[in-house]
Amino acid sequence: NAGVTQTPKFQVLKTGQSMTLQCAQDMNHNSMYWYRQDPGMGLRLIYYSASEGTTDKGEVPNGYNVSRLNKREFSLRLESAAPSQTSVYFCASSEGAVQYFGPGTRLTVT
Amino acid sequence: AQSVSQHNHHVILSEAASLELGCNYSYGGTVNLFWYVQYPGQHLQLLLKYFSGDPLVKGIKGFEAEFIKSKFSFNLRKPSVQWSDTAEYFCAFFKAAGNKLTFGGGTRVLVKP
Repeated sequence: NAGVTQTPKFQVLKTGQSMTLQCAQDMNHNSMYWYRQDPGMGLRLIYYSASEGTTDKGEVPNGYNVSRLNKREFSLRLESAAPSQTSVYFCASSEGAVQYFGPGTRLTVT
Repeated sequence: AQSVSQHNHHVILSEAASLELGCNYSYGGTVNLFWYVQYPGQHLQLLLKYFSGDPLVKGIKGFEAEFIKSKFSFNLRKPSVQWSDTAEYFCAFFKAAGNKLTFGGGTRVLVKP
């Protein structure tokens, strides 16, 4: 099993560009999450999906949209990137309280 | 609002020293508590968890944590660290209502060989 996979690993965007971060899990988990990690702030929840077909805002949803394409896949979209969105983005999945994390996407917005 | 506080942002130790990282959470109800570890360049991995029962829990790589309900604390300990324990450590709690983890700000631990 690959667990949780994310693409791309690295990305550089110019301000105003758009992009989609992809996440997939092969553990048949119902819940999936997107976090951003910034120095000294831990991980902050952007959006989550408790089950296929549902999505909910987390702590820092502004500037992002998500799509739960099916049970396996949960994508995060930046419609108009801003320098404040420079961060490392982690996807996670869970069945219950224990979450399993992907390898992360390091995004730089110039 | 519910939150998690980790007392130290950076800790520097020598090999064989003992490690204790503090974690306090603010929530009055039942919680599940976690410590995750992130080694340099890697993703977060579960170190240990507490759901119920014995408040002293043992995790991987010789780590343990003690849940003290009266102090809302879940401190992480290791009696003798190794250079390979250099990582960032995150405390987190899970509140079933809401289906979300809340993370602390993390503690970067550097173990000098």
